[in-house]
Amino acid sequence: DQQVKQNSPSLSVQEGRISILNCDYTNSMFDYFLWYKKYPAEGPTFLISISSIKDKNEDGRFTVFLNKSAKHLSLHIVPSQPGDSAVYFCAATTGRRALTFGSGTRLQVQP
Amino acid sequence: DTAVSQTPKYLVTQMGNDKSIKCEQNLGHDTMYWYKQDSKKFLKIMFSYNNKELIINETVPNRFSPKSPDKAHLNLHINSLELGDSAVYFCASFETGEETQYFGPGTRLLVL
Repeated sequence: DQQVKQNSPSLSVQEGRISILNCDYTNSMFDYFLWYKKYPAEGPTFLISISSIKDKNEDGRFTVFLNKSAKHLSLHIVPSQPGDSAVYFCAATTGRRALTFGSGTRLQVQP
Repeated sequence: DTAVSQTPKYLVTQMGNDKSIKCEQNLGHDTMYWYKQDSKKFLKIMFSYNNKELIINETVPNRFSPKSPDKAHLNLHINSLELGDSAVYFCASFETGEETQYFGPGTRLLVL
């Protein structure tokens, strides 16, 4: 029973273009959503988050959008850089407790 | 200066053995977690401790036993290892009221 889904296992974009990573969830009790970035042989590192009371949060090149009615969130990276190449995990939580993760999307930014 | 550290980084062992993985955080956080990343790359919560007390215990075989000797440490002991225990185990820490959990580098366990 996957409560958080990332349906695209991989994504390839050109440097300078926009990367859009998508995530869907089923549990309406989730009240906080996060994106993590993961390089090989390292642990996930926090990228950006959004509370369920907001629909957008921006931090530099990274913007997360939340559509509660559709139970959908997306991460936009503009402009994409080769150093952004990594696996991106969407995660959700209730009451800031344990995280429920998606299966990840591997982003490859081509120079 | 590593915030969340795990030892060992790699662990190769035989079926039936007992092994331990250690985690330490120097962030002064009050909550620590163990997650398992399986072959399908899903990261799933196993346990959570808050101030040395177990607060989350997901459906994990009782061969897995977490132990928190103090707030800064959360160890994971696994008895009678099975092939299906092969995975990457991540430790994480969190301070109530903060934005995110901080993850260790992972321990890659291979059971032969």
